[in-house]
Amino acid sequence: QQQVKQSPQSLIVQKGGISIINCAYENTAFDYFPWYQQFPGKGPALLIAIRPDVSEKKEGRFTISFNKSAKQFSLHIMDSQPGDSATYFCAASDDIIQGAQKLVFGQGTRLTINP
Amino acid sequence: EAQVTQNPRYLITVTGKKLTVTCSQNMNHEYMSWYRQDPGLGLRQIYYSMNVEVTDKGDVPEGYKVSRKEKRNFPLILESPSPNQTSLYFCASSLDRDNEKLFFGSGTQLSVL
Repeated sequence: QQQVKQSPQSLIVQKGGISIINCAYENTAFDYFPWYQQFPGKGPALLIAIRPDVSEKKEGRFTISFNKSAKQFSLHIMDSQPGDSATYFCAASDDIIQGAQKLVFGQGTRLTINP
Repeated sequence: EAQVTQNPRYLITVTGKKLTVTCSQNMNHEYMSWYRQDPGLGLRQIYYSMNVEVTDKGDVPEGYKVSRKEKRNFPLILESPSPNQTSLYFCASSLDRDNEKLFFGSGTQLSVL
């Protein structure tokens, strides 16, 4: 049973466009929501994270939007660049005390930015 | 350079032949984990360790063993590998229980024939 559902599975965006990846969860105890970025042949790396006390967090071209009532959160990549082509994973954790070791990951989205 | 090192990067084996995938981190992290990555399923946790001699099962522990005899090392052991354990494996670590950021290794692609 997938606790965090991610969509789409793959996404193609033109250079300069906006990339949007969505995640939904069921467990209302989740209270930490990170996004990880993975390039081919590499391990995932933390990109940006949010806690439910805010509805949006922005870091450069990357923004997380969080909707607590809908139990959904999304990653927006503005002005998408070919270098953003990677697989993106959303995740959630319901145990801040144990921190990252209780992360549950989504299925992943393979993003391709066409030049 | 701060990093999580896994070996080997690629491994092809046959059903039933015991193998070990090593993982080492040089950041003095307390927490270490093993994940497997499969298409359409994302990353699923196999085992994790909160400190030396403290390990616990993740979401998909069947068929795997781990040990944490030293803080820096967290090997993954498959005592009798089966084809359904063919996957991409990642070791990860984080500083301590108050720090959520995971640092991942570069992965081990395992094929069990």
